[in-house]
Amino acid sequence: SAVISQKPSRDICQRGTSLTIQCQVDSQVTMMFWYRQQPGQSLTLIATANQGSEATYESGFVIDKFPISRPNLTFSTLTVSNMSPEDSSIYLCSVRGLREETQYFGPGTRLLVL
Amino acid sequence: GENVEQHPSTLSVQEGDSAVIKCTYSDSASNYFPWYKQELGKGPQLIIDIRSNVGEKKDQRIAVTLNKTAKHFSLHITETQPEDSAVYFCAEAGGSYIPTFGRGTSLIVHP
Repeated sequence: SAVISQKPSRDICQRGTSLTIQCQVDSQVTMMFWYRQQPGQSLTLIATANQGSEATYESGFVIDKFPISRPNLTFSTLTVSNMSPEDSSIYLCSVRGLREETQYFGPGTRLLVL
Repeated sequence: GENVEQHPSTLSVQEGDSAVIKCTYSDSASNYFPWYKQELGKGPQLIIDIRSNVGEKKDQRIAVTLNKTAKHFSLHITETQPEDSAVYFCAEAGGSYIPTFGRGTSLIVHP
């Protein structure tokens, strides 16, 4: 299984500001994803981070609010832009191989927006 | 995957008892069913998974059963221990391999 790290692990931010979350994997992986987990809720897929091209966003999520970068096979960033208290969540990075079924998750970034 | 129902939302047991969490799904094309354990302050960790060509799979104290006809699958934990306390998520995935998750079950094991 891949070892995934995320930075920061947690943050408290003021509304209207932006936060960039980094995800680093210890091996080259084909697929990288970003999830949101609101307090006491399940995991919701935000987007698939594609290397060298624009991310693929799920319904309800847009690039202007959640810009994503993936410059190589081991690194991705998610930015939460113009934050409001409703953005308070855990943001999770996830990876898997192209034709593999098993998906692995990072430790998450706990974001509180005041 | 389209929709996954997970029950119960909270499960409280005594140490040594068994715990069962059940999930149902609606997409006939689903063929992969992983279970994740999420401890407080951590990301979800895969604990066991099952594919549609198998009816049951066991790993020490953990087992998963799948009934494709009825579209439901279950997680069974025997001889529960306090360290089993966590939130458990079921999920299902089809050909895209992108899982749809249940809403989670908070398992509390009392010593």
